[in-house]
Amino acid sequence: DGGITQSPKYLFRKEGQNVTLSCEQNLNHDAMYWYRQDPGQGLRLIYYSQIVNDFQKGDIAEGYSVSREKKESFPLTVTSAQKNPTAFYLCASSAGRGLNQPQHFGDGTRLSIL
Amino acid sequence: AQSVSQHNHHVILSEAASLELGCNYSYGGTVNLFWYVQYPGQHLQLLLKYFSGDPLVKGIKGFEAEFIKSKFSFNLRKPSVQWSDTAEYFCAGNTGNQFYFGTGTSLTVIP
Repeated sequence: DGGITQSPKYLFRKEGQNVTLSCEQNLNHDAMYWYRQDPGQGLRLIYYSQIVNDFQKGDIAEGYSVSREKKESFPLTVTSAQKNPTAFYLCASSAGRGLNQPQHFGDGTRLSIL
Repeated sequence: AQSVSQHNHHVILSEAASLELGCNYSYGGTVNLFWYVQYPGQHLQLLLKYFSGDPLVKGIKGFEAEFIKSKFSFNLRKPSVQWSDTAEYFCAGNTGNQFYFGTGTSLTVIP
Protein backbone atom coordinates (compact mmCIF):
# COMPACT_ATOMS: atom_id res chain seq x y z
CA ASP A 1 0.00 0.00 0.00
CA GLY A 2 1.19 3.50 -0.77
CA GLY A 3 1.62 5.94 2.03
CA ILE A 4 3.85 8.06 4.18
CA THR A 5 6.12 6.54 6.78
CA GLN A 6 7.48 8.55 9.65
CA SER A 7 10.02 7.12 12.01
CA PRO A 8 10.49 6.76 14.83
CA LYS A 9 7.07 7.13 16.44
CA TYR A 10 8.58 8.37 19.71
CA LEU A 11 11.94 10.04 20.09
CA PHE A 12 13.74 11.20 23.19
CA ARG A 13 16.83 13.38 23.14
CA LYS A 14 18.91 15.36 25.56
CA GLU A 15 18.83 19.13 25.45
CA GLY A 16 21.46 20.57 23.11
CA GLN A 17 21.52 17.62 20.71
CA ASN A 18 20.42 17.76 17.11
CA VAL A 19 17.91 15.12 16.10
CA THR A 20 16.65 14.03 12.66
CA LEU A 21 13.13 12.84 11.97
CA SER A 22 12.57 10.60 8.99
CA CYS A 23 9.78 10.91 6.42
CA GLU A 24 9.48 8.61 3.42
CA GLN A 25 6.66 8.40 0.87
CA ASN A 26 5.99 5.92 -1.91
CA LEU A 27 3.12 7.84 -3.45
CA ASN A 28 5.32 9.43 -6.12
CA HIS A 29 4.25 12.82 -4.82
CA ASP A 30 6.19 15.91 -5.83
CA ALA A 31 5.48 18.05 -2.78
CA MET A 32 6.32 17.27 0.83
CA TYR A 33 5.70 19.19 4.03
CA TRP A 34 6.65 19.25 7.69
CA TYR A 35 4.24 20.49 10.34
CA ARG A 36 4.43 20.88 14.05
CA GLN A 37 1.26 20.18 16.05
CA ASP A 38 0.90 21.68 19.52
CA PRO A 39 -2.23 21.56 21.70
CA GLY A 40 -4.55 24.42 20.90
CA GLN A 41 -2.43 25.66 17.99
CA GLY A 42 -3.34 23.34 15.18
CA LEU A 43 -0.73 22.56 12.56
CA ARG A 44 2.01 25.04 11.82
CA LEU A 45 4.16 24.71 8.73
CA ILE A 46 7.89 24.34 9.29
CA TYR A 47 9.27 23.65 5.80
CA TYR A 48 7.96 22.46 2.48
CA SER A 49 9.45 21.18 -0.72
CA GLN A 50 7.82 21.12 -4.12
CA ILE A 51 10.61 19.42 -6.01
CA VAL A 52 13.84 17.56 -5.39
CA ASN A 53 16.74 19.73 -4.24
CA ASP A 54 14.47 22.64 -3.47
CA PHE A 55 12.63 23.67 -0.30
CA GLN A 56 11.14 26.76 1.31
CA LYS A 57 10.68 27.96 4.86
CA GLY A 58 7.24 27.84 6.38
CA ASP A 59 5.91 29.93 9.23
CA ILE A 60 8.14 28.52 12.00
CA ALA A 61 11.38 27.43 10.31
CA GLU A 62 13.78 28.82 12.90
CA GLY A 63 15.76 26.07 14.59
CA TYR A 64 14.94 23.49 11.92
CA SER A 65 16.60 22.31 8.74
CA VAL A 66 15.58 19.97 5.92
CA SER A 67 16.95 18.34 2.81
CA ARG A 68 15.30 16.89 -0.29
CA GLU A 69 17.91 14.82 -2.07
CA LYS A 70 15.40 12.23 -3.20
CA LYS A 71 11.77 12.57 -4.25
CA GLU A 72 10.59 10.05 -1.69
CA SER A 73 12.48 11.40 1.31
CA PHE A 74 12.23 14.66 3.27
CA PRO A 75 14.07 14.41 6.61
CA LEU A 76 13.69 17.13 9.23
CA THR A 77 16.51 18.04 11.61
CA VAL A 78 15.58 19.70 14.87
CA THR A 79 18.65 21.63 15.90
CA SER A 80 19.78 22.80 19.31
CA ALA A 81 18.76 26.30 18.25
CA GLN A 82 15.07 25.35 18.43
CA LYS A 83 13.98 26.78 21.78
CA ASN A 84 10.98 24.57 22.39
CA PRO A 85 11.38 21.38 20.37
CA THR A 86 9.12 19.08 22.37
CA ALA A 87 6.12 18.57 20.09
CA PHE A 88 4.32 16.26 17.72
CA TYR A 89 5.73 16.44 14.18
CA LEU A 90 3.72 15.55 11.10
CA CYS A 91 4.98 14.94 7.60
CA ALA A 92 2.69 15.25 4.59
CA SER A 93 2.85 15.00 0.83
CA SER A 94 0.71 16.04 -2.09
CA ALA A 95 0.66 15.06 -5.73
CA GLY A 96 1.70 18.40 -7.13
CA ARG A 97 1.90 22.09 -6.76
CA GLY A 98 -1.61 22.70 -7.94
CA LEU A 99 -4.18 24.29 -5.73
CA ASN A 100 -6.47 21.28 -5.73
CA GLN A 101 -4.13 18.67 -4.34
CA PRO A 102 -5.05 17.46 -0.85
CA GLN A 103 -2.33 16.39 1.51
CA HIS A 104 -1.69 12.90 2.77
CA PHE A 105 -0.28 12.61 6.26
CA GLY A 106 2.03 10.26 8.10
CA ASP A 107 1.37 8.98 11.61
CA GLY A 108 3.68 11.53 13.19
CA THR A 109 6.70 11.52 15.47
CA ARG A 110 6.43 12.67 19.05
CA LEU A 111 9.69 14.31 20.11
CA SER A 112 10.50 14.85 23.76
CA ILE A 113 13.55 16.71 24.93
CA LEU A 114 14.78 15.56 28.32
CA ALA B 1 -2.28 37.63 6.27
CA GLN B 2 -3.87 34.47 5.00
CA SER B 3 -5.41 32.34 7.71
CA VAL B 4 -8.04 29.83 8.64
CA SER B 5 -9.87 30.07 11.94
CA GLN B 6 -12.00 27.63 13.87
CA HIS B 7 -13.93 29.13 16.74
CA ASN B 8 -15.20 25.96 18.40
CA HIS B 9 -12.33 24.45 20.36
CA HIS B 10 -14.24 21.74 22.18
CA VAL B 11 -17.66 20.37 21.30
CA ILE B 12 -19.53 17.71 23.24
CA LEU B 13 -22.64 16.13 21.76
CA SER B 14 -24.89 13.20 22.46
CA GLU B 15 -25.30 10.53 19.81
CA ALA B 16 -27.85 11.41 17.12
CA ALA B 17 -27.40 15.15 17.70
CA SER B 18 -26.67 17.36 14.72
CA LEU B 19 -23.20 18.79 14.26
CA GLU B 20 -21.95 22.05 12.80
CA LEU B 21 -18.33 23.11 13.17
CA GLY B 22 -17.38 26.60 12.11
CA CYS B 23 -14.53 27.51 9.78
CA ASN B 24 -13.67 30.92 8.40
CA TYR B 25 -10.91 31.84 6.01
CA SER B 26 -9.30 35.12 5.08
CA TYR B 27 -8.20 34.97 1.47
CA GLY B 28 -9.01 37.43 -1.21
CA GLY B 29 -8.49 35.27 -4.24
CA THR B 30 -8.99 31.70 -5.34
CA VAL B 31 -8.97 29.30 -2.46
CA ASN B 32 -9.46 25.62 -1.99
CA LEU B 33 -10.85 24.41 1.30
CA PHE B 34 -10.58 21.12 3.11
CA TRP B 35 -11.73 19.40 6.25
CA TYR B 36 -9.46 16.82 7.82
CA VAL B 37 -10.23 14.47 10.70
CA GLN B 38 -7.80 12.92 13.17
CA TYR B 39 -9.24 9.97 15.08
CA PRO B 40 -7.51 9.08 18.35
CA GLY B 41 -4.18 7.47 17.63
CA GLN B 42 -4.51 7.81 13.88
CA HIS B 43 -3.14 10.11 11.21
CA LEU B 44 -5.04 12.97 9.62
CA GLN B 45 -7.46 11.91 6.93
CA LEU B 46 -9.24 13.97 4.32
CA LEU B 47 -12.98 14.27 4.99
CA LEU B 48 -13.95 16.47 2.07
CA LYS B 49 -12.69 19.24 -0.17
CA TYR B 50 -14.03 22.20 -2.11
CA PHE B 51 -12.37 23.53 -5.27
CA SER B 52 -15.16 25.07 -7.33
CA GLY B 53 -18.70 24.46 -8.52
CA ASP B 54 -21.46 23.33 -6.20
CA PRO B 55 -20.79 25.04 -2.87
CA LEU B 56 -22.28 22.11 -0.96
CA VAL B 57 -19.77 19.31 -0.91
CA LYS B 58 -20.28 15.86 0.47
CA GLY B 59 -17.52 13.86 2.06
CA ILE B 60 -17.01 10.52 3.67
CA LYS B 61 -18.97 9.14 6.63
CA GLY B 62 -22.01 11.36 6.06
CA PHE B 63 -20.19 14.69 6.47
CA GLU B 64 -20.86 17.69 4.29
CA ALA B 65 -19.69 21.28 4.16
CA GLU B 66 -21.02 24.43 2.58
CA PHE B 67 -18.84 27.10 1.03
CA ILE B 68 -20.41 30.53 1.54
CA LYS B 69 -18.24 33.06 -0.22
CA SER B 70 -20.03 36.10 1.18
CA LYS B 71 -19.34 34.93 4.71
CA PHE B 72 -15.86 33.51 4.03
CA SER B 73 -17.08 30.35 5.69
CA PHE B 74 -16.80 26.61 5.12
CA ASN B 75 -18.69 25.00 7.98
CA LEU B 76 -18.73 21.25 8.47
CA ARG B 77 -22.05 19.53 9.16
CA LYS B 78 -23.44 16.13 9.94
CA PRO B 79 -27.15 15.57 10.65
CA SER B 80 -26.68 12.80 13.22
CA VAL B 81 -23.36 12.09 14.93
CA GLN B 82 -22.17 8.74 16.20
CA TRP B 83 -19.82 7.82 19.02
CA SER B 84 -17.25 6.87 16.37
CA ASP B 85 -17.14 10.50 15.20
CA THR B 86 -15.19 11.41 18.33
CA ALA B 87 -12.05 12.99 16.91
CA GLU B 88 -10.23 16.21 16.22
CA TYR B 89 -11.36 18.13 13.13
CA PHE B 90 -9.19 20.54 11.20
CA CYS B 91 -10.25 23.02 8.58
CA ALA B 92 -7.59 23.96 6.04
CA GLY B 93 -7.20 26.29 3.10
CA ASN B 94 -4.80 26.12 0.20
CA THR B 95 -3.79 29.07 -1.90
CA GLY B 96 -0.60 29.15 -3.90
CA ASN B 97 1.90 26.75 -2.42
CA GLN B 98 0.92 26.55 1.19
CA PHE B 99 -1.76 24.99 3.29
CA TYR B 100 -3.11 26.92 6.25
CA PHE B 101 -4.70 24.94 9.06
CA GLY B 102 -7.12 26.02 11.72
CA THR B 103 -6.40 25.28 15.35
CA GLY B 104 -8.72 22.30 15.35
CA THR B 105 -11.98 21.38 17.07
CA SER B 106 -12.11 18.48 19.46
CA LEU B 107 -15.43 16.64 19.17
CA THR B 108 -16.58 14.24 21.85
CA VAL B 109 -19.73 12.22 21.19
CA ILE B 110 -21.36 10.71 24.25
CA PRO B 111 -23.18 7.41 23.71
